[in-house]
Amino acid sequence: SQQGEEDPQALSIQEGENATMNCSYKTSINNLQWYRQNSGRGLVHLILIRSNEREKHSGRLRVTLDTSKKSSSLLITASRAADTASYFCATYASGGSYIPTFGRGTSLIVHP
Amino acid sequence: DAEITQSPRHKITETGRQVTLACHQTWNHNNMFWYRQDLGHGLRLIHYSYGVHDTNKGEVSDGYSVSRSNTEDLPLTLESAASSQTSVYFCASSTGLQETQYFGPGTRLLVL
Repeated sequence: SQQGEEDPQALSIQEGENATMNCSYKTSINNLQWYRQNSGRGLVHLILIRSNEREKHSGRLRVTLDTSKKSSSLLITASRAADTASYFCATYASGGSYIPTFGRGTSLIVHP
Repeated sequence: DAEITQSPRHKITETGRQVTLACHQTWNHNNMFWYRQDLGHGLRLIHYSYGVHDTNKGEVSDGYSVSRSNTEDLPLTLESAASSQTSVYFCASSTGLQETQYFGPGTRLLVL
């Protein structure tokens, strides 16, 4: 079964709006990572947040982590058409697992 | 610049044939991974390696094998291709355990 599950599966917004996508997971984790995948390309790492961190920023990206709710959110502010992509969360379970588990992704479309 | 490459980018083969997909990274990373990506399943781990001569099975390893004779390369072999192995295959590498993964551009494989 999937460790991380993104929500929503698909998101359609206008340029300039904010986009929020969520990731829920089932077991305790050491860290959670967000990746972006443009159509026909490989995944690109966006942000890594560790279990002892609550929030991280990178440019227009803001990631939060709530370990009590076993969830994370990725906020993209002032979206651009170039942000159109699929976004995946990947989790590393605590307890010695070094294997990442990816969710099925959120497909984001930003209309110009 | 360091990179990770995959070849071929597209492959059409017939059921029963042996197929090898190449993955080459110049990051000098010890950890390398093979995933397949299918609609509705996200990314699923096939095999992974923590270093030369080390290989491990992932979630969906049946029908696949890997070998690691040097740091740079982790070829993926489909012993006897099946239509169920039609997919997009991604190779990735990482510096340390549970750290950022760097993905290749992918190989689209069609098994007829």
